[in-house]
Amino acid sequence: QSVLTQTPSASGSPGQRVTISCSGSSSNIEGNSVNWYQHLPGTAPKLLIYSSDQRPSGVYDRFSGSKSGTSASLAISGLQSEDEGDYYCATWDDSLNGWVFGGGTRLTVL
Amino acid sequence: QLQLVQSGAEVKKPGASVRLSCKASGYRFTDYSLHWVRQAPGQRPEWMGGINADTGDTKFSQHFQGRVTFTTDTSASTADMELSSLKLEDTAVYYCARVGSWFGPFDVWGLGTVVSVS
Repeated sequence: QSVLTQTPSASGSPGQRVTISCSGSSSNIEGNSVNWYQHLPGTAPKLLIYSSDQRPSGVYDRFSGSKSGTSASLAISGLQSEDEGDYYCATWDDSLNGWVFGGGTRLTVL
Repeated sequence: QLQLVQSGAEVKKPGASVRLSCKASGYRFTDYSLHWVRQAPGQRPEWMGGINADTGDTKFSQHFQGRVTFTTDTSASTADMELSSLKLEDTAVYYCARVGSWFGPFDVWGLGTVVSVS
C-alpha cells in the first residue's frame, strides 16, 4: 500500500528553523503536487502550502515548501510558540486513485 | 465570512448509519467541490471522497465505495455525507473540506464532527 511517511515529531526553539519531511513514491509525490496542512489544537486544519511550494494568501512567508523526486519538505523559519501543532503532507496517489496523507509531524516549540 | 460549519457530534451503534452535514458560507457554493476526510484517534487523516457541488459528480475512496453517499442541497449551500453499516473502527472526527478542482488542495476546512460508534 502506498503511504506517505513523516517523522513523527520535530522541535525547535523560538526563532530557529525546522524542516519537516514527507517521503512517498513514484505513484504519489513523484508525479503530483504536494500540499501541507497545519492543524493546531482546537482549530480547523489549515492549508499551509499547495502545489508543493506555493503559499496561499495570508500564510506567512516563514513557511516554505519544496519537492524533489519522491520526497517533499516543509520548512518553518523564525519558529514561534503559536506554530506548535500537527503538520501533514498530502498528495494524490495514482495507484489508489485518491488523496493520501502523511502520518503527521507534531511540532514542539521548546 | 468564508467558512464550513459542520453538524454536531453523533453516537451510533454498530450496523447503523450516520448522516453528517456541512454548511458553506462566504462563497458561491457551486463553484467548488466538497470533500470528506476523517481522522480516527491516533491515525493519519483518511480521504473518503467528494462531490462537485455544481454537477453532483462524485469521487470515492476505494476503501469506502459502496458504504458512503455524498449529496448536496444547492439551495441551502449544504453538503451531506452518509456512512452506512457502521463499525467500531469508524469512530473518528469527520471533516468536510472545500476543493477548487478534483486535484486541487483542500483550502477551507470545517471544525469536524465527532462520530463515536459503540
